[in-house]
Amino acid sequence: AQTVTQSQPEMSVQEAETVTLSCTYDTSESDYYLFWYKQPPSRQMILVIRQEAYKQQNATENRFSVNFQKAAKSFSLKISDSQLGDAAMYFCAYRSAGSGGSQGNLIFGKGTKLSVKP
Amino acid sequence: NAGVTQTPKFQVLKTGQSMTLQCAQDMNHEYMSWYRQDPGMGLRLIHYSVGAGITDQGEVPNGYNVSRSTTEDFPLRLLSAAPSQTSVYFCASSFDLFKGSRELFFGEGSRLTVL
Repeated sequence: AQTVTQSQPEMSVQEAETVTLSCTYDTSESDYYLFWYKQPPSRQMILVIRQEAYKQQNATENRFSVNFQKAAKSFSLKISDSQLGDAAMYFCAYRSAGSGGSQGNLIFGKGTKLSVKP
Repeated sequence: NAGVTQTPKFQVLKTGQSMTLQCAQDMNHEYMSWYRQDPGMGLRLIHYSVGAGITDQGEVPNGYNVSRSTTEDFPLRLLSAAPSQTSVYFCASSFDLFKGSRELFFGEGSRLTVL
């Protein structure tokens, strides 16, 4: 079974600085999807960025980018020019590209709480 | 677009009571799922469905029941509420496993307290 590990329960960053959140995963599959979701105090789950495993190029979305290391099974999120609105819980998640039974389920890490200091 | 709509957003129950959390989506998604979120535990899958009439258990199914009579609706039933079911519940949906980017779209969550 696949697992997702976020080793940093809490992180802190100064406004306008850069922070990197870590995520590792364990799988025997070669094709899958990886996601970072943001959960602000409003509780809403918001997709931040998505990476397809078959793509070597790292995904970017404005100030958010990932460092995807497939061989190392690592998927870190970098937030540049941090803003107060970036303060939230961040979840890393894995989803198989397979089509059978439970393979479509999203598997989450336990989350990293990010604080942004003004 | 309404997206994924969950009701109620807040609920307080007494031990032993039953209730249903409603979930509806208007995106014609085949896949729907229920997660619970507890502090320090991330989101854990309760039940999921890959289409109308098809449901299956996730990681933590005990004490919960689901059905999928239509593509749009996926209610979660608590049969006899226990304090251990105090949690925040999320419904989420996506396109089926053969198309789309596999992104899950989430409802706003339902906070349930069992006394």
